[in-house]
Amino acid sequence: GAVVSQHPSRVICKSGTSVKIECRSLDFQATTMFWYRQFPKQSLMLMATSNEGSKATYEQGVEKDKFLINHASLTLSTLTVTSAHPEDSSFYICSAPVRAHTEAFFGQGTRLTVV
Amino acid sequence: AQSVTQLGSHVSVSEGALVLLRCNYSSSVPPYLFWYVQYPNQGLQLLLKYTTGATLVKGINGFEAEFKKSETSFHLTKPSAHMSDAAEYFCAVSDRGNDMRFGAGTRLTVKP
Repeated sequence: GAVVSQHPSRVICKSGTSVKIECRSLDFQATTMFWYRQFPKQSLMLMATSNEGSKATYEQGVEKDKFLINHASLTLSTLTVTSAHPEDSSFYICSAPVRAHTEAFFGQGTRLTVV
Repeated sequence: AQSVTQLGSHVSVSEGALVLLRCNYSSSVPPYLFWYVQYPNQGLQLLLKYTTGATLVKGINGFEAEFKKSETSFHLTKPSAHMSDAAEYFCAVSDRGNDMRFGAGTRLTVKP
């Protein structure tokens, strides 16, 4: 199956700093990628759809200035959490659909802890 | 818009017992349905999926699920639970197979 790699797997940062999370499609091209957020013991909530070469589409209630998404190439999307606060601590997961497959493939997730 | 509801946030079974995790969906178009498993601090692993064709689908680790359109359900079952099945299970729906909406999840506990 297709491989989606997410980096880093864990990151701890101080309040007020910014953190970048990368999502790469290793063996296929992804014009679209999805970013999810998962709070402890809760489900995955779609944050935004990342589109190569254009602006991301954010779900209602997600601050686009807070969660910056860049999809500059067909194999890489990045999520930057700006001016992080402790309440941004969460598990972030990306996924990418693959042509001829009926499901998207998920990255391993990034555990963000803001202290 | 599509959505899923998972009945029961926590299910506990004894090792060797039947596992039944419930999922009901809502979709305005024929849905694609999925079950994923998640172990602590890890990503999602696809157990099985229904897109078209046979309504009883078999997945990995002995799991299977049946798509019942009349009941808008896609319940996950396994005849005999194993300790290694203890994890969080998510049901998901999509109308295109890529933009997925997830249920709240069901935590499965397996007692020895």
